[in-house]
Amino acid sequence: SFVLSQPPSVSVTPGQTARITCGGNNIGRRNVHWYQQKPGQAPVVVVNDDSARPSGIPERFSGSNSGNTATLTISRVEAGDEADYFCQVWVRDGDYVVFGGGTKLTVL
Amino acid sequence: QVQLVQSGVEVKTPGASVRVSCKASGSTSNMYGITWVRQAPGQGLEWMGWISLYNGNTFYAEKFQGRITMTADTSTSTAYMDLRSLKSDDTAVYSCARAKHRNDAFDIWGQGTRVTVS
Repeated sequence: SFVLSQPPSVSVTPGQTARITCGGNNIGRRNVHWYQQKPGQAPVVVVNDDSARPSGIPERFSGSNSGNTATLTISRVEAGDEADYFCQVWVRDGDYVVFGGGTKLTVL
Repeated sequence: QVQLVQSGVEVKTPGASVRVSCKASGSTSNMYGITWVRQAPGQGLEWMGWISLYNGNTFYAEKFQGRITMTADTSTSTAYMDLRSLKSDDTAVYSCARAKHRNDAFDIWGQGTRVTVS
């Protein structure tokens, strides 16, 4: 089955740029979605279809996807960005959805 | 704007079944499909399956094949997820979310339903 690999944690100081990776075999050929989840809350889509930003999501959130790695980039990180972030893809051959294991973003 | 409201907390014994409901309110004409995701305590997100609200077609994660059933009542805009033969490691928060297709982002989520198996 298709596996998505994320680093368990990423730490940055306010104002820096955070990059969260999502690795998978030829993931660049798939649509990748990114979710932000704060404690006790439902996930929120912050980037869909590799690099599109839903309405209401700050421009500081951006995404890219190429080769074997998709990346969520958060510029000018704020304390309120501290959360778990999950990547997700649909696997056409097999017709199932996979989530990455999640990355905890800590704002120091 | 669509809202998804789920049923309340459930406590079950091993071997029992649970049904979680997910009712859509608001502009339900563009619901398309509902996916179900669960999250065990302290763990990540796990996809369980998806149901089309057009034709009732279902797609289940292999892990749950044989003990999960997803249905939908379009007259009440309510989706249901039944999970049978519960085990202690089924203890999790179960959430529904809107997704036009399995390839789309899950853009609107229910509040989650905590199911404890003990």
